[in-house]
Amino acid sequence: DIQMTQSPSSVSASVGDRVTITCRASQNIASLLGWYQQKPGRAPKSLIYDTRHLQSGVPSRFSGSGSGTDYTLTITSLQPDDFATYYCQQSHSFPLTFGGGTKVDIK
Amino acid sequence: EVQLLESGGGWGQRGGSLRLSCAASGFTFSNYAMGWVRRAPGKGLEWVSSISGSGDTTYYADSVQGRFTIARDNSKNTLSLLMNNVRVDDTAVYYCVKDHTAKEYGRFDPWGQGTLVTVAS
Repeated sequence: DIQMTQSPSSVSASVGDRVTITCRASQNIASLLGWYQQKPGRAPKSLIYDTRHLQSGVPSRFSGSGSGTDYTLTITSLQPDDFATYYCQQSHSFPLTFGGGTKVDIK
Repeated sequence: EVQLLESGGGWGQRGGSLRLSCAASGFTFSNYAMGWVRRAPGKGLEWVSSISGSGDTTYYADSVQGRFTIARDNSKNTLSLLMNNVRVDDTAVYYCVKDHTAKEYGRFDPWGQGTLVTVAS
């Protein structure tokens, strides 16, 4: 199984900050990496698929990058609506696996 | 608009059975793989199972293999998850997810609102 390790597990930030979340796979996942946002009591929402492709309607302040085993989600200029938990997930092979999550909260 | 509406959650007894359903609308159901993802209380997201667009190929997490069965009815645009021999650690919110194509998996968008399954000991 491919293990997905996210860091940090939590981050405190202010509105307007730049936030970077990293995700490391235990083996090469060939850019088959997605990012999801989940708010308390809500269903997860897909932000990015295949490392860098934004889902329709996702603000351009979200971006993804990476290759091989190392991937990054960047939020430039954090907005109040962005305080949530973020998960990475590999779609390279079964079993599909998620990272442990990164909670972004208000400093 | 794509919509996924889960039903069938609730209380179950350890060792018993539960059946979840997901009603899909707003897209050509048979053209897309579908799946289930769960989130246990205080835990992160865990993929449970996926099924191809035609329904002829299924995949399961090791934690549910042999106990859960995913199925779909393309004539009724419904996805189901039959949960047998449930365990306390199956307690979670279960989300129905739509995938990217009929036979490409793991690009989940959108997600249903979720249905809570609680297994009592």
